[in-house]
Amino acid sequence: ETGVTQTPRHLVMGMTNKKSLKCEQHLGHNAMYWYKQSAKKPLELMFVYNFKEQTENNSVPSRFSPECPNSSHLFLHLHTLQPEDSALYLCASSPREAGGPYNEQFFGPGTRLTVL
Amino acid sequence: KNQVEQSPQSLIILEGKNCTLQCNYTVSPFSNLRWYKQDTGRGPVSLTIMTFSENTKSNGRYTATLDADTKQSSLHITASQLSDSASYICVVSPGYSSASKIIFGSGTRLSIRP
Repeated sequence: ETGVTQTPRHLVMGMTNKKSLKCEQHLGHNAMYWYKQSAKKPLELMFVYNFKEQTENNSVPSRFSPECPNSSHLFLHLHTLQPEDSALYLCASSPREAGGPYNEQFFGPGTRLTVL
Repeated sequence: KNQVEQSPQSLIILEGKNCTLQCNYTVSPFSNLRWYKQDTGRGPVSLTIMTFSENTKSNGRYTATLDADTKQSSLHITASQLSDSASYICVVSPGYSSASKIIFGSGTRLSIRP
């Protein structure tokens, strides 16, 4: 158990559906992240929240909409997705936003998303 | 361009054998390098981290090495077990900067056969 949970674990949706992914961390961290992981590709950073404020939007299409109501919860709202958006979506948290050696990112198990 | 290249892309070995995974990077400036293990259906979990001044770090049967001059790292797995079957991801950070500067490799998919 990494202390980061994600729901649902699997999601199948049509291109016209609206759904949300949920992430919760129990580690007392202040930074939370959404990553997209496609087969044989490096993890792609999508969004970063630091102390509930969005600090990174890595040119993500507007059909992905993040929400961070507090430091423990992170949502990714999905609407009008495309089949190429099918991937594993990983949530992560860390003590603060940075790439320093003492700022390990802890990952959740991911949500496997399939867009039909 | 900052990049992290891992080799091989995939590897199959017999249980009990040793193996070495490679990571070459062009990230600059350099702060630290992590190796993550990602089991199927799970998120990545950190195995080791090395900073500029460290050239080896062990975690049980996993030993990571770093050559900051040649910008190469390796992950050596000793006496492999079936539970070592996973993807291994090399991640390089340029330092105390934004998360967008953290560079992930594509991973090596390791399969251990009984």
